Amino acid sequence: EAGVAQSPRYKIIEKRQSVAFWCNPISGHATLYWYQQILGQGPKLLIQFQNNGVVDDSQLPKDRFSAERLKGVDSTLKIQPAKLEDSAVYLCASSFLSGSADEQFFGPGTRLTVL
Amino acid sequence: QKEVEQDPGPLSVPEGAIVSLNCTYSNSAFQYFMWYRQYSRKGPELLMYTYSSGNKEDGRFTAQVDKSSKYISLFIRDSQPSDSATYLCAMSLPSGNTPLVFGKGTRLSVIA
Repeated sequence: EAGVAQSPRYKIIEKRQSVAFWCNPISGHATLYWYQQILGQGPKLLIQFQNNGVVDDSQLPKDRFSAERLKGVDSTLKIQPAKLEDSAVYLCASSFLSGSADEQFFGPGTRLTVL
Repeated sequence: QKEVEQDPGPLSVPEGAIVSLNCTYSNSAFQYFMWYRQYSRKGPELLMYTYSSGNKEDGRFTAQVDKSSKYISLFIRDSQPSDSATYLCAMSLPSGNTPLVFGKGTRLSVIA
């Protein structure tokens, strides 16, 4: 079974530039999550999709971050404009269902550095 | 007080040692408790999962939950160099669609 795919793996940009990350979840997984993991911290949920609808985006900084999941499969996360404090690893995860107990499978992450 | 507290380490032990990793939490409503392992430059992977209180054993790994103390533990027996990773505790509420709340992670090194 193929895992969660993410690209790019690394990205370096200057502040105020924009950037986009892509995620392809495990086939058949209805729920997709984007997490932000700052160095030395645990992952923090940014947004959760079930199929192509948003379930939870309460911690997404909506003035600069946006995400979409067209057709309930792939997803993109965008930051515009980026700030220094956005430097982090952005992890995508997926699960078959959406309950609290459902195992989430994580991708390798995109490491973003904002200069 | 943060919802989930976890000592970031680093923790360094010799091969074969018993490792104890711990988290404390403040929200008594948490019911699902997980331990994730994260290797360098990789995403977290689920290691152990426990519902409510009690113990769960899987090979060299044992997870314990003490809800009365709001304290969870992960024990690794006969630790191996391949166990060197960051271990993240995570927990969630019982209702559906509630997000996982992660600890900071403890960085473990097992020295051969």
